[in-house]
Amino acid sequence: KAGVTQTPRYLIKTRGQQVTLSCSPISGHRSVSWYQQTPGQGLQFLFEYFSETQRNKGNFPGRFSGRQFSNSRSEMNVSTLELGDSALYLCASTISGYNEQFFGPGTRLTVL
Amino acid sequence: GESVGLHLPTLSVQEGDNSIINCAYSNSASDYFIWYKQESGKGPQFIIDIRSNMDKRQGQRVTVLLNKTVKHLSLQIAATQPGDSAVYFCAETVTGANSKLTFGKGITLSVRP
Repeated sequence: KAGVTQTPRYLIKTRGQQVTLSCSPISGHRSVSWYQQTPGQGLQFLFEYFSETQRNKGNFPGRFSGRQFSNSRSEMNVSTLELGDSALYLCASTISGYNEQFFGPGTRLTVL
Repeated sequence: GESVGLHLPTLSVQEGDNSIINCAYSNSASDYFIWYKQESGKGPQFIIDIRSNMDKRQGQRVTVLLNKTVKHLSLQIAATQPGDSAVYFCAETVTGANSKLTFGKGITLSVRP
């Protein structure tokens, strides 16, 4: 069974731009969560989607948004990028009702 | 690969020794705990989990201990190997449909040959 895949793996943007990251969960997994990882703050929860609905959200500004498609694939978008948005963005999937989350390799975003 | 170990405490152990990685969790309502291992350039990988109705759980070469009284979690790795070198995170959650994982800051385990 293929694992969680994330594209692109690396991305360089400049301040003020926007970016869209993609995540394909493990087949059969309907819940997708996004996390931001930085050296200073560690792993922080962004949001979770299940059946195309956001059902949990972390403490991030509205510039961070996401969506989920009917095939469970998910995208997250960051608008008006700031230098502090430079981070590793991780996606995790799980079968609803379970808590073991399977992580993808992440997308390394660098904002210049 | 990417470095995720910057600014993290480091535990250095000799190959073959046992390692103990500790974690203090924050939410007394948390009832499910997971240890993850993250190697450079990869996402976190599940190691072992434990529910709050248990105080100890063993896996292959790993044991997790839970002390709910002081909100403390530990991961013991027996006969530590070079391949165990990584960043280790504990995570906690309150189980339910809208549960989310709250991660600890992480500890870098460095295994000396």
